[in-house]
Amino acid sequence: SYELTQSPSVSVSPGQTASITCSGHKLRHQYVCWYQQKPGQSPVLVIYQNNKRPSGIPERFSGSNSGNTATLTISGTQAMDEADYYCQAWDSSSERVFGGGTKLTVL
Amino acid sequence: EVQLVESGGGLVQPGGSLRLSCAASGFTFSIYSMNWVRQAPGRGLEWVSYISSSSSIIYYADSVKGRFTISRDNAQNSLYLQMNSLRDEDTAVYYCARDSGGYSLDFWGQGTLVTVSS
Repeated sequence: SYELTQSPSVSVSPGQTASITCSGHKLRHQYVCWYQQKPGQSPVLVIYQNNKRPSGIPERFSGSNSGNTATLTISGTQAMDEADYYCQAWDSSSERVFGGGTKLTVL
Repeated sequence: EVQLVESGGGLVQPGGSLRLSCAASGFTFSIYSMNWVRQAPGRGLEWVSYISSSSSIIYYADSVKGRFTISRDNAQNSLYLQMNSLRDEDTAVYYCARDSGGYSLDFWGQGTLVTVSS
């Protein structure tokens, strides 16, 4: 089955730029989206169609997709951005596939 | 305001059944595809099932195929997940999530916990 690979953890200092990557051999042909999940809360969509932000998501969140790697970038990272982040694409027949998640620590 | 409210979770023995519900409000439910996604304790997100707006297209993850059935009632603005032959590994928080139409899930419910244990 199709797999999306994410690094388990990323650390960043406040105010710096955080980059979270997602790799998958079909990504060059797909739209990727990203979700933020804080402890005890439901996931929130932060990026869709590779680089679009839903209403209400701060401009410091951006996305890209090149080759077989998608990247979520958080510029000027704030303490409130500390969370788990999941990428998502799809497999054949429109089955949704999630990456394993990346824990972002702001320290 | 879009709202998705899951219910029906609880403790069930292995081999048992449970039916989850998701009540939708704040949008025209009948024109959106919907999904169930689960998250085992301390683990990542796992997509479970998808149903199109008219119920004509349905998909399942291999891990639940043949045991779970997704359905919807557009007149009642409700989504369902019938879960049979439950296993320990089905223990998770189950979320219903609206499909944006662009392969992303743009709104999620608060989740309902299903615990499979003897």
